[in-house]
Amino acid sequence: SQTIHQWPATLVQPVGSPLSLECTVEGTSNPNLYWYRQAAGRGLQLLFYSVGIGQISSEVPQNLSASRPQDRQFILSSKKLLLSDSGFYLCAWSVGRKNTEAFFGQGTRLTVV
Amino acid sequence: GESVGLHLPTLSVQEGDNSIINCAYSNSASDYFIWYKQESGKGPQFIIDIRSNMDKRQGQRVTVLLNKTVKHLSLQIAATQPGDSAVYFCAEKAGGTSYGKLTFGQGTILTVHP
Repeated sequence: SQTIHQWPATLVQPVGSPLSLECTVEGTSNPNLYWYRQAAGRGLQLLFYSVGIGQISSEVPQNLSASRPQDRQFILSSKKLLLSDSGFYLCAWSVGRKNTEAFFGQGTRLTVV
Repeated sequence: GESVGLHLPTLSVQEGDNSIINCAYSNSASDYFIWYKQESGKGPQFIIDIRSNMDKRQGQRVTVLLNKTVKHLSLQIAATQPGDSAVYFCAEKAGGTSYGKLTFGQGTILTVHP
């Protein structure tokens, strides 16, 4: 069966520090991968998606970047965190090009102080 | 841009009652819809989905209704249980080859009282 791993679960980082969140998927090949951010009490906003190794699409301008060095690995990064980067970050995967649900990881709660 | 929104941000019901959570969407080109359940501190869990060529789909204790005429989606939960307490999100996918990118609504908080 397919599983998705996302870590760390919680993270407190000072303003200006770098960020690296990692997500890996097991049990499937060539998944579509996504990074979403969820502000407190709000819905999910799509940040990045990737349909293959090295292929990254950004949905919103921001202080973050994403990379996909391997087929089932998706990384969310920042060189210098801002206070506004605080939030709940969720990695997700799906397969195919059309109508299919996305499966989510457990999320990382990032607090920038 | 296109958006998906919810009519009611909170819903409180008694255990055993039926719950109905509503969602309005604005993108008439959306062809696939999903309901997710999110418990506190966790990622969203898939509940049920429906394609735009359908108007009703049933799962275990849940039913999703789609009214394309008024761009409305609803989730019905039968015999609601305390374990159903969570935030419920509807999500839509635009038609065509969009690689599963989803647009989420703001969410409805469902509270089930024993």
